[in-house]
Amino acid sequence: ETGVTQTPRHLVMGMTNKKSLKCEQHLGHNAMYWYKQSAKKPLELMFVYNFKEQTENNSVPSRFSPECPNSSHLFLHLHTLQPEDSALYLCASSQDPAGIGELFFGEGSRLTVL
Amino acid sequence: GESVGLHLPTLSVQEGDNSIINCAYSNSASDYFIWYKQESGKGPQFIIDIRSNMDKRQGQRVTVLLNKTVKHLSLQIAATQPGDSAVYFCAENPQRGKLIFGQGTELSVKP
Repeated sequence: ETGVTQTPRHLVMGMTNKKSLKCEQHLGHNAMYWYKQSAKKPLELMFVYNFKEQTENNSVPSRFSPECPNSSHLFLHLHTLQPEDSALYLCASSQDPAGIGELFFGEGSRLTVL
Repeated sequence: GESVGLHLPTLSVQEGDNSIINCAYSNSASDYFIWYKQESGKGPQFIIDIRSNMDKRQGQRVTVLLNKTVKHLSLQIAATQPGDSAVYFCAENPQRGKLIFGQGTELSVKP
């Protein structure tokens, strides 16, 4: 098993659809993150969860709704998205909730909003 | 606002040459820095990190240099190989739980 697994790898959805991205980490880490990666832009931090509690919401629109049922799983629920939300969504985990130390990234979920 | 920038969006080097990728960061409070490598179709992978109480750290074929006076970070790759072709990101940690990434430099290695 790889350290951080994301599904689906690719997702195409219409603006009225509801879908979810899933992330699972097998590293025993305490912190999990959602990042958005758009072309020609730096990785943007979206959400941070430490010990299942959300500790950071980086002004993300409410059409993105995260869920962290336990320390190993993280979801990103998507509804009424816009075409500009098309991007690579990366999940990461770290041992240290302070963000000091290596982030382990998944391969990402490539989202296309039509 | 806070930002971490890279001086060059693309860098092309000959196989076997040394590569130097630069990064300028903006937050003087940052005390930890990381370099990541992202190959096409994959997530970012950790290369090397450095704390602000150091000015140099070496890994296998890679060296990170930190100049806090001018808020500059660089990644040196020795004897660059085709497998080093990727986008390289620097990141800074200006506060607890927050890692800010730069825009990335795409390294191309010519055989």
